[in-house]
Amino acid sequence: KAGVTQTPRYLIKTRGQQVTLSCSPISGHRSVSWYQQTPGQGLQFLFEYFSETQRNKGNFPGRFSGRQFSNSRSEMNVSTLELGDSALYLCASSLGTSGIYNEQFFGPGTRLTVL
Amino acid sequence: GQSLEQPSEVTAVEGAIVQINCTYQTSGFYGLSWYQQHDGGAPTFLSYNALDGLEETGRFSSFLSRSDSYGYLLLQELQMKDSASYFCAVRDRGRGSTLGRLYFGRGTQLTVWP
Repeated sequence: KAGVTQTPRYLIKTRGQQVTLSCSPISGHRSVSWYQQTPGQGLQFLFEYFSETQRNKGNFPGRFSGRQFSNSRSEMNVSTLELGDSALYLCASSLGTSGIYNEQFFGPGTRLTVL
Repeated sequence: GQSLEQPSEVTAVEGAIVQINCTYQTSGFYGLSWYQQHDGGAPTFLSYNALDGLEETGRFSSFLSRSDSYGYLLLQELQMKDSASYFCAVRDRGRGSTLGRLYFGRGTQLTVWP
């Protein structure tokens, strides 16, 4: 079974631009979560989607948004990029949202650099 | 608020045993998970404890005490390949009947020396 895939793997943008990152979950997984990872803040939860509905949202500004499609694939968008948005963005999929079914399977991440 | 505390660094030699502690404070509790992340890699799931006690999976074991809001990951017969960051994670209570957010600790960098 193929793992979680994320595209692109690397991205360089300048301040003020916007970016869209894509995530394809493991087949059969209906829950997709997004995380931002930086050396200073660790793994920070962005949002979680289940069956095309946003179930939870982390403490990030409204510039960060996401969506999930009917095939469970998900995208996240960051508008008006700031230098501080430079990070590794990880997508994770899971069978469900509770208990062991919430075991997160992570993709390789998208390394975003904002200049 | 929600918080998870774990040591930032641990070092040990090959063949040794190391314990990585995690204390948490969340509004509601739905289990403690552990993840491993090698440099440049993605986090991978190691274990999940929903009830008190010890769960063993090969060389790795995980323990939970809900009354103490405490858990640990025990790594035995350490190998060089175990050098990685280890994260504990808990999910808090959401609104109404929905589950809350998944929170990760800052991670513990384990270095295994030959």
